[in-house]
Amino acid sequence: QSVLTQPPSLSGAPGQRVTISCTGSSSNIGANFDVHWFQQLPGTAPNLLIYNNNNRPSGVPDRFSGSKSGTSASLVITGLQAEDEADYYCQSFDNRLGAYVFGSGTKVSVL
Amino acid sequence: EVQLVESGGGLVQPGGSLRLSCAASGFSFRDNWMSWVRQAPETGLEWVANIKPDGSQEYYLGSVKGRFFISRDNAKNTLYLQMNNLRAEDTALYYCTRAQMHTFNIWGQGTMVTVSS
Repeated sequence: QSVLTQPPSLSGAPGQRVTISCTGSSSNIGANFDVHWFQQLPGTAPNLLIYNNNNRPSGVPDRFSGSKSGTSASLVITGLQAEDEADYYCQSFDNRLGAYVFGSGTKVSVL
Repeated sequence: EVQLVESGGGLVQPGGSLRLSCAASGFSFRDNWMSWVRQAPETGLEWVANIKPDGSQEYYLGSVKGRFFISRDNAKNTLYLQMNNLRAEDTALYYCTRAQMHTFNIWGQGTMVTVSS
């Protein structure tokens, strides 16, 4: 069972807005550790999408954005596109475990 | 081109050992923290170990501490993971990653480790 909880799946039509939640606790997100997001396309390695809560690496489209509040974080995809169909994972650090931790993953489908 | 290429995975019996390697290119390997992250269908993505740029400090996931050992050869731009006393629950795709700002911003393609009799 993952330390960070995400919805297993979400779907949306092209052009719609999709929000993926990542719920943690006082030992990780709530302890002010940054949250990062990864996109994993089928058959490939994860790719960093958002770092330090709300920053995009170069090359990541601005339709992807992140935020953090309290013990939770969110990834928003604005203007969903067919190529966004993938698995998305959040990641942070947990000071009780002394380990980097990942979310359970969310499969986003484009209708 | 920035690249990480893992090798060394395979099928091993419970209790056996395996050494994974990761060849880095396209960036200054000696100046970066490096990590291993694994992915299994049942447990999802899981951080395994970190190593400091000069190799002087290592950190491990609790369940692998004392069985897995991360090391590096900066002259060869290569990261290693020695895995001993392997268990069925260690079965996963193992990724080599570059660690920066407490996340993982470069990933290899992964090497599969299967622990089974």
